[in-house]
Amino acid sequence: KQEVTQIPAALSVPEGENLVLNCSFTDSAIYNLQWFRQDPGKGLTSLLLIQSSQREQTSGRLNASLDKSSGRSTLYIAASQPGDSATYLCAVMGSSDYKLSFGAGTTVTVRA
Amino acid sequence: EAGVTQFPSHSVIEKGQTVTLRCDPISGHDNLYWYRRVMGKEIKFLLHFVKESKQDESGMPNNRFLAERTGGTYSTLKVQPAELEDSGVYFCASSQHISGANVLTFGAGSRLTVL
Repeated sequence: KQEVTQIPAALSVPEGENLVLNCSFTDSAIYNLQWFRQDPGKGLTSLLLIQSSQREQTSGRLNASLDKSSGRSTLYIAASQPGDSATYLCAVMGSSDYKLSFGAGTTVTVRA
Repeated sequence: EAGVTQFPSHSVIEKGQTVTLRCDPISGHDNLYWYRRVMGKEIKFLLHFVKESKQDESGMPNNRFLAERTGGTYSTLKVQPAELEDSGVYFCASSQHISGANVLTFGAGSRLTVL
């Protein structure tokens, strides 16, 4: 059974600082790993998807790395802005069942 | 392109009552998923439709939950009778193909409060 852990549970930083969000998973038999963003009362917005054969993905100020063998992924957000305040969720897709297993999320607050 | 639409956005019912949640996936998406997040827990998989067929319903908590997708378009998730522990946010997602390369598009969720 896949277990996904996200550390820290909450993070508060001043504007301009870089953010580092960690995700670990117990079963390395994954198809891909996704990072989502959730704003209060809204749905999940996919930020980055990393295939199991890839090491990282980048989109603008966001960069996500994947080390499948050690069961870890890190989401970096450069030069944080107040608009980055949200909950960030990590999810892995099982290679045999295509089901997503989610972490509990990291709630980020960027102070102006 | 319209996204995944869910309604109601919020439903408040009393224990023992029935609630039906609806999801309209992106047009042309054969795959439809239901997930839910109960208070303080992670988002968990409930079930997966491919067109009108249930591909995997291993996450359905018990027989008080019934999901349908008649005609392979929209889906409904009925909870009957609702219990207090059913309170949470129910998310629907869709994708075009079963493939790890396909990003699932999620709806905004339906918040269910059982009193």
